[in-house]
Amino acid sequence: EADIYQTPRYLVIGTGKKITLECSQTMGHDKMYWYQQDPGMELHLIHYSYGVNSTEKGDLSSESTVSRIRTEHFPLTLESARPSHTSQYLCASSEIRDEQFFGPGTRLTVL
Amino acid sequence: GDSVTQMEGPVTLSEEAFLTINCTYTATGYPSLFWYVQYPGEGLQLLLKATKADDKGSNKGFEATYRKETTSFHLEKGSVQVSDSAVYFCALSPLNAGGTSYGKLTFGQGTILTVHP
Repeated sequence: EADIYQTPRYLVIGTGKKITLECSQTMGHDKMYWYQQDPGMELHLIHYSYGVNSTEKGDLSSESTVSRIRTEHFPLTLESARPSHTSQYLCASSEIRDEQFFGPGTRLTVL
Repeated sequence: GDSVTQMEGPVTLSEEAFLTINCTYTATGYPSLFWYVQYPGEGLQLLLKATKADDKGSNKGFEATYRKETTSFHLEKGSVQVSDSAVYFCALSPLNAGGTSYGKLTFGQGTILTVHP
């Protein structure tokens, strides 16, 4: 069973706040990913990492930033949240093969 | 660029009906193909996969065959249950000529399936 965790599961905050969404995995995977999921369900890759100290922007431009200081941890930060950031954020990880394991997601609402 | 196209949803079926969700793709290289399922309030779970032409992936009564000639990977199930109600995503992971994965997945837009008793 895949072990990838995201906290918080739900977050409601006001505009202008700084937030960090946490993602951790215990599988020792080198590759990790952040996706933004529309209300219409479509998934967009916003960040990925191939290992410690490696981060890349994904296919969808995002104002968020990420860091990868430890293999198991891949947090996503928004310096100043806006209503346009309201979405579901999904974290995933993978090993050498292609299969990605997903966390349960964080549903963010910015008022 | 690479892309995945799924049939428009939502799909609504009665229990025990036959299910087909169409998926076609365009890609350079030799992609691996996947179906993921997302139950309400959860992340995505891998349902099945196929890594080369004519491979058939199967799991929990679902099947999909990698058809290179038609660039398709349609999902089928002979008899759906209420518990199959979820969102289904087709995805691909392109491989280079050396067979190495680029490591990223390209997803279709998702198909919502609702099964009524």
